[in-house]
Amino acid sequence: DAGVTQSPTHLIKTRGQQVTLRCSPKSGHDTVSWYQQALGQGPQFIFQYYEEEERQRGNFPDRFSGHQFPNYSSELNVNALLLGDSALYLCASSFRGGRGNTIYFGEGSWLTVV
Amino acid sequence: AQSVTQLDSQVPVFEEAPVELRCNYSSSVSVYLFWYVQYPNQGLQLLLKYLSGSTLVKGINGFEAEFNKSQTSFHLRKPSVHISDTAEYFCAVSWGGSSNTGKLIFGQGTTLQVKP
Repeated sequence: DAGVTQSPTHLIKTRGQQVTLRCSPKSGHDTVSWYQQALGQGPQFIFQYYEEEERQRGNFPDRFSGHQFPNYSSELNVNALLLGDSALYLCASSFRGGRGNTIYFGEGSWLTVV
Repeated sequence: AQSVTQLDSQVPVFEEAPVELRCNYSSSVSVYLFWYVQYPNQGLQLLLKYLSGSTLVKGINGFEAEFNKSQTSFHLRKPSVHISDTAEYFCAVSWGGSSNTGKLIFGQGTTLQVKP
């Protein structure tokens, strides 16, 4: 059973460009969340998708947007990239029903903006 | 605003010694508490979680943590560490009615350095 998978693993972009990161949740999971982890920091919540809608959002500008597909996979889009967007982007998946279900994280996508 | 504070940025310890990594959070109302470990260039792996019930929670790799509501703390402990425990450790908290929503507030992390 594959866990949370993310692609690409590493990428380099230029300031002002746009980037799309992809995530496939663990089998049986229906909720996907995205986090940004800057070097030496803890992960920060960007937003969460459930039933193809953004349900919660952290303190990130509108340049950060996302999408969830019917198969529960998700994309994170960042427009007008800034140097400060350089970070590890983590996808997390969980099952919304029940209680106490574990939240699983992927290996992340390393984004470098130059 | 809700916040999580990990009191030590780095904890150096010798192999086979005990260790405690400290975590405090801002409010004790309906919290769910987690500890994650991150090895170099990897994602996050869940060590243990507290949802309710016994305040002492046991996790993987011999780690345990104790929920202290009055002190709003959730410190992580291990009685004897190994070199392989060298990693970054994150305390995380979820507030509100659901522990499954995926919205976690993380601390800044503690680097555990186990020396031979």
